[in-house]
Amino acid sequence: SQQGEEDPQALSIQEGENATMNCSYKTSINNLQWYRQNSGRGLVHLILIRSNEREKHSGRLRVTLDTSKKSSSLLITASRAADTASYFCARGYSTLTFGKGTMLLVSP
Amino acid sequence: GAVVSQHPSWVICKSGTSVKIECRSLDFQATTMFWYRQFPKQSLMLMATSNEGSKATYEQGVEKDKFLINHASLTLSTLTVTSAHPEDSSFYICSARDATSGIGDTGELFFGEGSRLTVL
Repeated sequence: SQQGEEDPQALSIQEGENATMNCSYKTSINNLQWYRQNSGRGLVHLILIRSNEREKHSGRLRVTLDTSKKSSSLLITASRAADTASYFCARGYSTLTFGKGTMLLVSP
Repeated sequence: GAVVSQHPSWVICKSGTSVKIECRSLDFQATTMFWYRQFPKQSLMLMATSNEGSKATYEQGVEKDKFLINHASLTLSTLTVTSAHPEDSSFYICSARDATSGIGDTGELFFGEGSRLTVL
């Protein structure tokens, strides 16, 4: 399968805590993207990190990429209840291949 | 940001009927649109790539006669689920590529809100 693997599959934390989600992949990449999906909704693009980048920030989001380990992580700092959603990593250039996703639950 | 509109957002139909789902890029032209299928609590699986003015490219295992895709204009692609059966019940999501904006040189990708199909 070309799909990446995210872990954990589900994560439950309290507001204010940090949430870390990981994504592993098998083939070489040009870039890796992270998306968010609220229940029953479409996807929202969060951040893209290129293969020559090691870390990228966007607001409370921090993404790292380790091409030697074929893995990436998404860190959400100071989480809020509104961050409750599923998070997917996606690889590809012309078309995207999505990982299995992590369901994040942030409790007030 | 750019908006991709899907319609209907949910539909219930009887087994054996056909259902059409529309995907529109509202403020940009999309030479390429993608159709995904998502089962509950699972990832998105690419079904097909739709190119304006040409036949769609289907992923392995996706029946082209079952899932008819038409991309007749630069702002509209449609997915028709023909002779729908309960196993076709799923969440269908489209995405559209804006060729004029940039993730690399392949254009930024925008997703619709999805269409939930329930076949009774």
